[in-house]
Amino acid sequence: EPEVTQTPSHQVTQMGQEVILRCVPISNHLYFYWYRQILGQKVEFLVSFYNNEISEKSEIFDDQFSVERPDGSNFTLKIRSTKLEDSAMYFCATRGETGVAGYTFGSGTRLTVV
Amino acid sequence: QKEVEQNSGPLSVPEGAIASLNCTYSDRGSQSFFWYRQYSGKSPELIMFIYSNGDKEDGRFTAQLNKASQYVSLLIRDSQPSDSATYLCAARRNQGGKLIFGQGTELSVKP
Repeated sequence: EPEVTQTPSHQVTQMGQEVILRCVPISNHLYFYWYRQILGQKVEFLVSFYNNEISEKSEIFDDQFSVERPDGSNFTLKIRSTKLEDSAMYFCATRGETGVAGYTFGSGTRLTVV
Repeated sequence: QKEVEQNSGPLSVPEGAIASLNCTYSDRGSQSFFWYRQYSGKSPELIMFIYSNGDKEDGRFTAQLNKASQYVSLLIRDSQPSDSATYLCAARRNQGGKLIFGQGTELSVKP
């Protein structure tokens, strides 16, 4: 079963520091997403990425956030200056081109901002 | 604000019973609906999706969709303790679009 791989699994960072979360999508998938889940809350959409550009972003995804696919394989989420409220599980998700296929979620990165 | 609503539970059923999980959505433009299972501390795992009115069966799972009532449900037959998890309902407007998740229903299957 193909997997979406995320690293690191857990990151602790000081408030104000930059973090980069990494995702390796399934090889033939073309749509990429970042979601987050604050403890005890809903899974929330952050951003979608297709054809090397952002296709949609939520109001959560402000100027502190950015995404890129620098080498054609890794898909990264950068938070420039972390806040306490950024503490959450961050999930990368990918899907293929055709059909009504569901999204495959990665195992997640638990980000703790202290 | 487009919402997906679920009862948070917990829903408790005995082993072997049918578990019924419900979801409503507010966006009439939603076209596809997904059920994910999430174990504590883990990522969502796709169970099944549905986009046509009616029932769709996959093993012990049946998804039901009623677009007129804006209602989606998931039935789990012969529930097992290993089915104990949080079940997330999600809606999507178009292919490639974002998923809007409900808050999830916690299911507990008692041996």
